[in-house]
Amino acid sequence: AQSVSQHNHHVILSEAASLELGCNYSYGGTVNLFWYVQYPGQHLQLLLKYFSGDPLVKGIKGFEAEFIKSKFSFNLRKPSVQWSDTAEYFCAVNSYSGGGADGLTFGKGTHLIIQP
Amino acid sequence: DAGVIQSPRHEVTEMGQEVTLRCKPISGHNSLFWYRQTMMRGLELLIYFNNNVPIDDSGMPEDRFSAKMPNASFSTLKIQPSEPRDSAVYFCASSKKGQGTYEQYFGPGTRLTVT
Repeated sequence: AQSVSQHNHHVILSEAASLELGCNYSYGGTVNLFWYVQYPGQHLQLLLKYFSGDPLVKGIKGFEAEFIKSKFSFNLRKPSVQWSDTAEYFCAVNSYSGGGADGLTFGKGTHLIIQP
Repeated sequence: DAGVIQSPRHEVTEMGQEVTLRCKPISGHNSLFWYRQTMMRGLELLIYFNNNVPIDDSGMPEDRFSAKMPNASFSTLKIQPSEPRDSAVYFCASSKKGQGTYEQYFGPGTRLTVT
């Protein structure tokens, strides 16, 4: 069975600070990796995704993530955070089945607070 | 595109009552997923369908939960009878085979409160 571990449950940063959120997964096969963001009171939005190719992927709003297969990691980064990045961040993984994609397995989430 | 549509957005019901949550996936998507979000357990996959066929319902917590997808544009998640521990936000998501990464698009969720 797949599992996803997010290292930090709560992170508080000041504006302009750099961000790195850790994510490790366990699964023996080929996986797709995602980071989703959930702003207060809103639904999940995709930040970025990885399924093959360049292990460094860039997403929306200046976020990027690096897939390190040997470490089973997919850490999220942003060089300079803004107050508007305050949100809950979820790492997720799924794999393929014959008829389509499997459901996502999510990490517990990281609550990010950016202080002005 | 209207995105994934869920109804109702909020539901408050008493213990023992039947609850039906509804989802309309994005047109053309062939996979539909139901998730539940709670403070204690985070986001959990309940069940998903490919081409209207249930593929994996191992996440459905109990027999009180059931889900159907009678056609490509509609799905329901039913809880009967409901219990206070079912209180959560229920998300529906859809994706399209052939889009490579099978990115899932989430609806706004239904916030269920069982008293």
